Amino acid sequence: DTAVSQTPKYLVTQMGNDKSIKCEQNLGHDTMYWYKQDSKKFLKIMFSYNNKELIINETVPNRFSPKSPDKAHLNLHINSLELGDSAVYFCASSNVQGAEQYFGPGTRLTVT
Amino acid sequence: GESVGLHLPTLSVQEGDNSIINCAYSNSASDYFIWYKQESGKGPQFIIDIRSNMDKRQGQRVTVLLNKTVKHLSLQIAATQPGDSAVYFCAENLLSGYSTLTFGKGTMLLVSP
Repeated sequence: DTAVSQTPKYLVTQMGNDKSIKCEQNLGHDTMYWYKQDSKKFLKIMFSYNNKELIINETVPNRFSPKSPDKAHLNLHINSLELGDSAVYFCASSNVQGAEQYFGPGTRLTVT
Repeated sequence: GESVGLHLPTLSVQEGDNSIINCAYSNSASDYFIWYKQESGKGPQFIIDIRSNMDKRQGQRVTVLLNKTVKHLSLQIAATQPGDSAVYFCAENLLSGYSTLTFGKGTMLLVSP
């Protein structure tokens, strides 16, 4: 039983393309997040959604657009991919904003 | 495999030793702290948390110590095992209001058999 799942696990694409990453949690949590982990393992929050509403947007370029069709799903769409977007993207969820978060397995995005 | 560990502070220990991983947090107002473990190719996993009204909390083989005076957090792992090899992150937060966890830079723990 996977608590937080992401697809795909690996994504290789060319600059300028548009791609999406999907996330689903079956924990019944109200809050979901997207993080970016760079090559130095630094984890940085990108977005936080609470009950399908955007709560936190940490100065992420508007090429990144999260979408939450329901509180169990938070997808990330990225337009016009750039080399600097290459990273591992993690989805997470929590039952209380900012409290213990459960992370998905990550999506490794490589932009060539 | 990944080579990014070269950029991280690294702690190398022998199996059976006790390990201490340190973290300096940034916000003196933070009132909630978590330690996460991230194994290669996986997402971070919760290990233990502590609130600011405590200075010590124990779990199974792990102890977290909080020193608010100097904004310092440590994770002690007793009888370290090869399976403990991973990157360890501390994270801090304010539980009131709309905020989220801020992660520290991470420390790689390498356990030799």
